[in-house]
Amino acid sequence: AQSVSQHNHHVILSEAASLELGCNYSYGGTVNLFWYVQYPGQHLQLLLKYFSGDPLVKGIKGFEAEFIKSKFSFNLRKPSVQWSDTAEYFCAVMESSGTYKYIFGTGTRLKVLA
Amino acid sequence: DVKVTQSSRYLVKRTGEKVFLECVQDMDHENMFWYRQDPGLGLRLIYFSYDVKMKEKGDIPEGYSVSREKKERFSLILESASTNQTSMYLCASSSRVPLHFGNGTRLTVT
Repeated sequence: AQSVSQHNHHVILSEAASLELGCNYSYGGTVNLFWYVQYPGQHLQLLLKYFSGDPLVKGIKGFEAEFIKSKFSFNLRKPSVQWSDTAEYFCAVMESSGTYKYIFGTGTRLKVLA
Repeated sequence: DVKVTQSSRYLVKRTGEKVFLECVQDMDHENMFWYRQDPGLGLRLIYFSYDVKMKEKGDIPEGYSVSREKKERFSLILESASTNQTSMYLCASSSRVPLHFGNGTRLTVT
């Protein structure tokens, strides 16, 4: 069965620090990859997505992610975090076989200290 | 902008009660999903639907059922609520990609 692993459950950073959140998935076929963010008290929203092409994708609010097929990874990065980035981040995989079924990771809670 | 509306933000129910969670989307999306979100477990798929009157089991369907009589509405039913169903329930919809989420319903079963 497919699975998505997020190895960092809680991350605490100071403002201006760099961020990298790990995401690995297990699926041998073609996948679509996503990062979603949930700010406190808000609904989940799309941060960025990868379907094909350039493996380095840029999303909203200065976030980017790199798809490394050989490592089954899709890590999220931001060069300099802000206090407003405090949120929970979820990596997700969707098979490209047409089922539109998403598998989510367990999430990473990021706290940015002002 | 896509809007996914969940009828209740908070619900408190007693063990054994039948519980209905309602979700409506306004973008004519074919696909609708119910997830539950628990700390440390992320989002787990309960049921999903590709079309009216169609449903598929997700990863944790036990204790739940769903109904999709109209394209815009997807209901999650707890036939006999139990305390281990206390959770945040998230509805989502999509037309291919990406998923659009509602604000969630926090259900407490006492």
